[in-house]
Amino acid sequence: DTEVTQTPKHLVMGMTNKKSLKCEQHMGHRAMYWYKQKAKKPPELMFVYSYEKLSINESVPSRFSPECPNSSLLNLHLHALQPEDSALYLCASSQQLGGGGAATTGELFFGEGSRLTVL
Amino acid sequence: LAKTTQPISMDSYEGQEVNITCSHNNIATNDYITWYQQFPSQGPRFIIQGYKTKVTNEVASLFIPADRKSSTLSLPRVSLSDTAVYYCLVEVTASKLTFGTGTRLQVTL
Repeated sequence: DTEVTQTPKHLVMGMTNKKSLKCEQHMGHRAMYWYKQKAKKPPELMFVYSYEKLSINESVPSRFSPECPNSSLLNLHLHALQPEDSALYLCASSQQLGGGGAATTGELFFGEGSRLTVL
Repeated sequence: LAKTTQPISMDSYEGQEVNITCSHNNIATNDYITWYQQFPSQGPRFIIQGYKTKVTNEVASLFIPADRKSSTLSLPRVSLSDTAVYYCLVEVTASKLTFGTGTRLQVTL
């Protein structure tokens, strides 16, 4: 199984709603990522988890709250979002984080994304 | 933080070779360079990865000069189905994998 599964594929929410995006992988990967992608722009890194601990938060507003309940699951909780938060949210996983003393950056496996529209 | 830059767009005819460059002046010392393909409303898909010199797989080649401050993705004989956006991905600081600006490739008959 080399898939990263994201649900839901589409989500429409109001600015006062609370919703969650979910991501699942069963490849035994220990690093998981959230990226945000606006139209005609590259994906932008939001959060990185390594061994279920938050490793990187790219100064993301607190209305986005990530959670990694176990090594296979990654959630992104959404609350009080703004219309400008509408985007494609991509989850990815890799065997481990890059960096450190050796060139060990692995391939990122991406899900198909969750298209979020905030009204 | 310096951007990882690519040409905005490229056009090609079917059957031609296409070379797409990525400039990554601030790549981390031990990082690989990875290239992805993305179709509209889909997640990026892995094409090829390398650390130095040249890497080739069944779909592409990747050329990396000795200073590693740039890389070139080579698609040998493109087809219409290769019309997509192509991104390089590098680690610019510890564990921060950052996409290049992206190159939109349009292939026509």
